[in-house]
Amino acid sequence: EAQVTQNPRYLITVTGKKLTVTCSQNMNHEYMSWYRQDPGLGLRQIYYSMNVEVTDKGDVPEGYKVSRKEKRNFPLILESPSPNQTSLYFCASSLGQGVDTQYFGPGTRLTVL
Amino acid sequence: GENVEQHPSTLSVQEGDSAVIKCTYSDSASNYFPWYKQELGKRPQLIIDIRSNVGEKKDQRIAVTLNKTAKHFSLHITETQPEDSAVYFCAASNPSNYQLIWGAGTKLIIKP
Repeated sequence: EAQVTQNPRYLITVTGKKLTVTCSQNMNHEYMSWYRQDPGLGLRQIYYSMNVEVTDKGDVPEGYKVSRKEKRNFPLILESPSPNQTSLYFCASSLGQGVDTQYFGPGTRLTVL
Repeated sequence: GENVEQHPSTLSVQEGDSAVIKCTYSDSASNYFPWYKQELGKRPQLIIDIRSNVGEKKDQRIAVTLNKTAKHFSLHITETQPEDSAVYFCAASNPSNYQLIWGAGTKLIIKP
């Protein structure tokens, strides 16, 4: 089954404790992206990747890191999480560019205390 | 840079009536305008999209119209049903980096 998976789905952590949210897709998509969703603000892009070893900042990259060592995986790293990073995070992938149909993962709800 | 405004933030309609959600964008070079539906607790999913070389696109009960001169596009849902209740997001392509800029979302409530 073609899909985008994320783990964990739910995470409660404390300020400053490094964490990684994994994202994987099995559709051989070139493009992957991370978004955060907050009430009233819609979807804001954190980072995106057009291909392996190619990553770019989105609109809200501060406090986040990503890597794209393999085509299928695009982990999101919070080196020192803070309470303002409490949010719902979505990974997405598409065949070509960001302007193709994006397939979203199930989301990760992160709470930073 | 590109900016997308979406209205209304909440829309309540009687089942069977039509619903219209409107988005405006700022960059006249934008050329791709998708609409995504997010049901409660679920992930966003594409329901319809339009490119700047057409003015209207339909898929059963949903349609999208694009007015390039006025820089706005709208989602039309006819004969609304309970399963149409969801948050709808519009987006426009950012010509400088081919990424999507998203609207803030519209919560559509279908009243029985």
